[in-house]
Amino acid sequence: GNSVTQMEGPVTLSEEAFLTINCTYTATGYPSLFWYVQYPGEGLQLLLKATKADDKGSNKGFEATYRKETTSFHLEKGSVQVSDSAVYFCALSDYANTGNQFYFGTGTSLTVIP
Amino acid sequence: NAGVTQTPKFQVLKTGQSMTLQCAQDMNHNSMYWYRQDPGMGLRLIYYSASEGTTDKGEVPNGYNVSRLNKREFSLRLESAAPSQTSVYFCASSEGIPGQTEAFFGQGTRLTVV
Repeated sequence: GNSVTQMEGPVTLSEEAFLTINCTYTATGYPSLFWYVQYPGEGLQLLLKATKADDKGSNKGFEATYRKETTSFHLEKGSVQVSDSAVYFCALSDYANTGNQFYFGTGTSLTVIP
Repeated sequence: NAGVTQTPKFQVLKTGQSMTLQCAQDMNHNSMYWYRQDPGMGLRLIYYSASEGTTDKGEVPNGYNVSRLNKREFSLRLESAAPSQTSVYFCASSEGIPGQTEAFFGQGTRLTVV
């Protein structure tokens, strides 16, 4: 079946530090991969996505590369800011007879301190 | 530019009461979803609707019912609320194209059952 495993949190970093949040997946087909971000009291927003192997998704300084050989989609940012404090979810989508299905990791809470 | 709209945003129920959570999307998406978010458990799928006129159970359907009223609207009903249903509920929608598009989320409904 399909599943997503992501790094346990919480993660606390100083401003301008390097960020990595690990994500690995299991999929039966050819999934698309996503990172979502959730700010306090809000819904999930798409941060970036990759739809096939070796694709790199990027947005707002965040990057993730779809690695089929290691079934991974790790999120990275070179220099985090206080405003990046949020919960990050790795997710995959796979299309089945019953439509597009999404599978989410448990989320990683990030706090960036000045 | 509304996207996915959920009502209400907050609700307190007494055990045994019933209520309906409303969700509407204006993106002409085929697929709609209801998730619940609990600490440490990520998002769990309650029900989904791949297209107008169809609904299917997700991972945690017990205690809930849904109605896909039309292409825009997908409601979630709690017939007899229980404290275990205290959670944050998110509605989402997706184009439904095989594996290629992301899910768009509403702002969430924070439900407390006392």
